Amino acid sequence: EDQVTQSPEALRLQEGESSSLNCSYTVSGLRGLFWYRQDPGKGPEFLFTLYSAGEEKEKERLKATLTKKESFLHITAPKPEDSATYLCAVSKSGNTGKLIFGQGTTLQVKP
Amino acid sequence: DGGITQSPKYLFRKEGQNVTLSCEQNLNHDAMYWYRQDPGQGLRLIYYSQIVNDFQKGDIAEGYSVSREKKESFPLTVTSAQKNPTAFYLCASSEWGTGKNYGYTFGSGTRLTVV
Repeated sequence: EDQVTQSPEALRLQEGESSSLNCSYTVSGLRGLFWYRQDPGKGPEFLFTLYSAGEEKEKERLKATLTKKESFLHITAPKPEDSATYLCAVSKSGNTGKLIFGQGTTLQVKP
Repeated sequence: DGGITQSPKYLFRKEGQNVTLSCEQNLNHDAMYWYRQDPGQGLRLIYYSQIVNDFQKGDIAEGYSVSREKKESFPLTVTSAQKNPTAFYLCASSEWGTGKNYGYTFGSGTRLTVV
């Protein structure tokens, strides 16, 4: 069964304390892995797409990496404004366009 | 600016009542989707549409209905048959094409509460 699992469910960091969020997946024929940021009461906002193992992408304090079984979202020296829920999703072969989402990791960065 | 507009932002439904959530996009995207989000759970797919006048059931379609009469619009009706409709509803759209991996653009969501 296709599955996307994110860990931890919740993460509390002090400002400047770097850490990583994990997204592990089991899908037949991965076509793309997506990271989104969601603020409370709002729709998710696109961050990154990764297509193949070994690929990395960066945006400000965020860096996403991909292996054959999981993806990491590394947060370097986070600030309070990085507090949000981070969602991981995958698309699989078959060209249906559907994304399979994980449950999300809620990050809180304290000043 | 291009984007997706969902309305209303908040919606209250009485028992036995049907309600319709609006979703409009001006991104010229072919595909549109409806997801439901509950606390502690991932987004769950309700319905999706790849082209006008065609749509498919997602994982939790029971108690919901949709239409796709225009490319820009994909309204969701929550019927009285949906026994637990209180949730945050998200509409999304994406481009469509063979061999491509297109991410979604999301709307800002509608929070539906049963009163």
